[in-house]
Amino acid sequence: SQTIHQWPATLVQPVGSPLSLECTVEGTSNPNLYWYRQAAGRGLQLLFYSVGIGQISSEVPQNLSASRPQDRQFILSSKKLLLSDSGFYLCAWSEVGGAYNEQFFGPGTRLTVL
Amino acid sequence: AQSVTQLDSQVPVFEEAPVELRCNYSSSVSVYLFWYVQYPNQGLQLLLKYLSGSTLVESINGFEAEFNKSQTSFHLRKPSVHISDTAEYFCAVSRTSYGKLTFGQGTILTVHP
Repeated sequence: SQTIHQWPATLVQPVGSPLSLECTVEGTSNPNLYWYRQAAGRGLQLLFYSVGIGQISSEVPQNLSASRPQDRQFILSSKKLLLSDSGFYLCAWSEVGGAYNEQFFGPGTRLTVL
Repeated sequence: AQSVTQLDSQVPVFEEAPVELRCNYSSSVSVYLFWYVQYPNQGLQLLLKYLSGSTLVESINGFEAEFNKSQTSFHLRKPSVHISDTAEYFCAVSRTSYGKLTFGQGTILTVHP
């Protein structure tokens, strides 16, 4: 069966520090991968998605970047964090060519920027 | 592009009462519809989905949702809620031809004893 992991689970970082959040998927090959941010009272915002290694699409301009160095690994990064980067970050995957577009979510990372 | 509107940001209800969480969408093409549930500090879990066929879909824990194409709605209902149903619920839509999901803003359901 497929599983999705995210780490760390929680993170507290000072403004201006770098960021690296990691997501890995097991039990499937060549998945579509997604990064979402969930800020209080603002629902889910799609940040990036990837359909393959090295292929990243950005949904909104921001202080963050994403990379996919391996088939089942998706990394969210920042060179300098802003206060507004605080939130709950969720990684998700879906099957390539899946007929129903269902996404499966990881447990999330709670990021607090102070 | 499609969009999703969840009409209530918060819904308080007493245990064993019925509940309806409302979801409306807009899209010019055929869509798939989903309800996800998120318990505190956890990721999202799929609750139920409408793909095709019967417009009434059910989950294993007593929730149901009905796809109404004429009203472009996909409201979530449960006839009798439990304390454990307290969570945030997200409605989502995707075009049948393209994989990205568009989420609503979420509805926080709080069940009181």
